[in-house]
Amino acid sequence: NAGVTQTPKFRVLKTGQSMTLLCAQDMNHEYMYWYRQDPGMGLRLIHYSVGEGTTAKGEVPDGYNVSRLKKQNFLLGLESAAPSQTSVYFCASRNRDSYNEQFFGPGTRLTVL
Amino acid sequence: AQSVSQHNHHVILSEAASLELGCNYSYGGTVNLFWYVQYPGQHLQLLLKYFSGDPLVKGIKGFEAEFIKSKFSFNLRKPSVQWSDTAEYFCAVDGSYIPTFGRGTSLIVHP
Repeated sequence: NAGVTQTPKFRVLKTGQSMTLLCAQDMNHEYMYWYRQDPGMGLRLIHYSVGEGTTAKGEVPDGYNVSRLKKQNFLLGLESAAPSQTSVYFCASRNRDSYNEQFFGPGTRLTVL
Repeated sequence: AQSVSQHNHHVILSEAASLELGCNYSYGGTVNLFWYVQYPGQHLQLLLKYFSGDPLVKGIKGFEAEFIKSKFSFNLRKPSVQWSDTAEYFCAVDGSYIPTFGRGTSLIVHP
């Protein structure tokens, strides 16, 4: 099992450029999440999904879009990147029951110039 | 709505010192509680969790946490820290399917 994988690991964008971050999990988990991690701010939820074809906004959704066309994949898109989106992005997945822990990917370090 | 508060943002200890990191939460119903650890440059991984039963939970690497329902607390402890425990520690609460994380505690252990 690869667990949760993220592509790419690093990326540098110019303001206004777009990109898509890919998260894939091979554990057949129903729930998937996208977080951003900034110093002193902990983990903040961007968007989440409770199943294939469904997505919902988290705490900081502005400037991001997501899609979950397949159960194992959860894509995070930035349509027009801004310097405020410079961050480390983590994807996580979890089974349905809330007593189950989340499994995290290795992260994507994004810099927007 | 659920929320989590971690009181210590930065902790610096010498090896063999004892550790206690505070975590308090607010939520009106039954919660599941987690501590995650993030070693430098790595992703978060589970340290321990509580969802029912014995309120004293033991995790990996000698860590333990105690759930005190009356105080809405889930403090993390370790009797004797090692240099390799240097990491960031996150408390999380989950009453539904959207876990809420605390802001994290950065622990530095000097050899």
